[in-house]
Amino acid sequence: AQRVTQPEKLLSVFKGAPVELKCNYSYSGSPELFWYVQYSRQRLQLLLRHISRESIKGFTADLNKGETSFHLKKPFAQEEDSAMYYCALMSGSEKLVFGKGTKLTVNP
Amino acid sequence: GAVVSQHPSWVICKSGTSVKIECRSLDFQATTMFWYRQFPKQSLMLMATSNEGSKATYEQGVEKDKFLINHASLTLSTLTVTSAHPEDSSFYICSARDERSTYNQPQHFGDGTRLSIL
Repeated sequence: AQRVTQPEKLLSVFKGAPVELKCNYSYSGSPELFWYVQYSRQRLQLLLRHISRESIKGFTADLNKGETSFHLKKPFAQEEDSAMYYCALMSGSEKLVFGKGTKLTVNP
Repeated sequence: GAVVSQHPSWVICKSGTSVKIECRSLDFQATTMFWYRQFPKQSLMLMATSNEGSKATYEQGVEKDKFLINHASLTLSTLTVTSAHPEDSSFYICSARDERSTYNQPQHFGDGTRLSIL
């Protein structure tokens, strides 16, 4: 069964501190993983995907198949990073399975 | 960039009425659209995959007679909640796949529709 686990519902850090949002997945095939972000009162939008190996807004995520993880990291958090973050897995049928999300709050 | 418009953004209606939610891809064609449901403080749960010109594919546990999906054109999919009851109150979100740019953006999401059944 496909499953995405985000163990932290809430994460609070201070501005300038490193941040890591955890994501673990369960999938029998070769996974395609994504991080989506939802800022307050805005729609869900793609932050990054593991295939592109990009760094968006300072965020990076590395797929670790051994640990079945795709943690999202940023070395220096900014207040504008405060948002809801969802990890998602795409199955072979191109459906997205989402984790429950982590609410990140970056305090001044 | 690709935009998905969802309408209405908020609807309140009496129990027993039917409610139609529209999802439009504004600047691209979408042969596939997806409908999700999100309960408060929970994740998005896929309800069904809407396929242009053919029947929708429903996820396990989703009543197809309760949630009617029509994808009659390449830019419009509709979700009709029939004979809605308070337990159908939720946040409904649609997304659309733009085949032109699958590598960069697998699905574009609408703003969602908050449905409240009294």
